[in-house]
Amino acid sequence: NAGVMQNPRHLVRRRGQEARLRCSPMKGHSHVYWYRQLPEEGLKFMVYLQKENIIDESGMPKERFSAEFPKEGPSILRIQQVVRGDSAAYFCASSPPGFPQVSYEQYFGPGTRLTVT
Amino acid sequence: AQTVTQSQPEMSVQEAETVTLSCTYDTSESDYYLFWYKQPPSRQMILVIRQEAYKQQNATENRFSVNFQKAAKSFSLKISDSQLGDAAMYFCAYTRYGNKLVFGAGTILRVKS
Repeated sequence: NAGVMQNPRHLVRRRGQEARLRCSPMKGHSHVYWYRQLPEEGLKFMVYLQKENIIDESGMPKERFSAEFPKEGPSILRIQQVVRGDSAAYFCASSPPGFPQVSYEQYFGPGTRLTVT
Repeated sequence: AQTVTQSQPEMSVQEAETVTLSCTYDTSESDYYLFWYKQPPSRQMILVIRQEAYKQQNATENRFSVNFQKAAKSFSLKISDSQLGDAAMYFCAYTRYGNKLVFGAGTILRVKS
């Protein structure tokens, strides 16, 4: 069973460009979470999605950031008009469906390191 | 809002010795889950150990064990027989009912040979 896949692993964008980060959850997982890790800091929650629904976006910046998890295909985190402060590692995690979940464990992908020049 | 605090930015341990990493958290809930994640230089987040709040027994995974003190809202990680491969950043995390993980700031663990 393949783990959580993220691509690209490294992404370089100039200020003002758009960044698209992709996340394919583990097979059978329908919950996706995005986290951001700034240099020398812990992970900060951004958004929690289920298929075609945003469940919790309380950690998303109000502007320029959006996320989706369509019925088919990977989850996408989109950052428009990137600025240097967006440089960070972005992690995706997934968990299986069902309530209550057995362990509430989230399985992490390897992350995408975004560098804005 | 829930918060997680790791008061030790950095810790060192001699190979084969034991080290304890501290974590405290703040919540008004009674049911929740706590985790320790390891992040080596590769940046991959690896689950080390989990603890369900309703369980009084402390979780153990091989050389890793926790000291869970619910009343004190404390969740420390003990690593026994430390190995060079244990060197990493360690994050304590809290979640409730499969919602977002709230992470501490992390503790860098250095292992000396």
